[in-house]
Amino acid sequence: DVKVTQSSRYLVKRTGEKVFLECVQDMDHENMFWYRQDPGLGLRLIYFSYDVKMKEKGDIPEGYSVSREKKERFSLILESASTNQTSMYLCASSLYMTGGPPTDTQYFGPGTRLTVL
Amino acid sequence: AQTVTQSQPEMSVQEAETVTLSCTYDTSENNYYLFWYKQPPSRQMILVIRQEAYKQQNATENRFSVNFQKAAKSFSLKISDSQLGDTAMYFCASMDSNYQLIWGAGTKLIIKP
Repeated sequence: DVKVTQSSRYLVKRTGEKVFLECVQDMDHENMFWYRQDPGLGLRLIYFSYDVKMKEKGDIPEGYSVSREKKERFSLILESASTNQTSMYLCASSLYMTGGPPTDTQYFGPGTRLTVL
Repeated sequence: AQTVTQSQPEMSVQEAETVTLSCTYDTSENNYYLFWYKQPPSRQMILVIRQEAYKQQNATENRFSVNFQKAAKSFSLKISDSQLGDTAMYFCASMDSNYQLIWGAGTKLIIKP
């Protein structure tokens, strides 16, 4: 079974702190994603990566950055946390289909509920 | 931009009943992919079912089936013989031309014993 793990289930930080959220997948997937989940808004894509050291902005990248130094690990960084970044953060991965669209199933981690005070 | 609309914020049914969750989407693409994901309470999001738009046959996975109406841009999920373990948030999603998932707001489904 594919396993996607996230470094913390719950995290409380103060405004202005630098926050690292880590995600690790164990299935050699090419694609990795960071989403933010808020009630009534569904999931919104922050950043994604199709390969090591490669990153692409999603719909709401402002205030966030990412790092993918190794294939299995995708980190989300909040450079200076703000209260409006209080949310549930979900990481996902999927297998890249060479020559075709990445329509393969996305596998999700358990999520990190971040509270910024 | 593509949009996905789930008009039912919350639904509840008795165990063993059949329930249908609605989803409409807006796309200018001719070929695309649609998904239903399930997020049980305090558990990970998992794929329930997916549909490729060029396939006319509705996808089915055990008790889960879809009613895909391409012209109407509708993609509803039917759960037959509902079970307590089906209690979850259900999200409809479509894949856009950049191969990113566009998500609906979700429907909270409660199965009552």
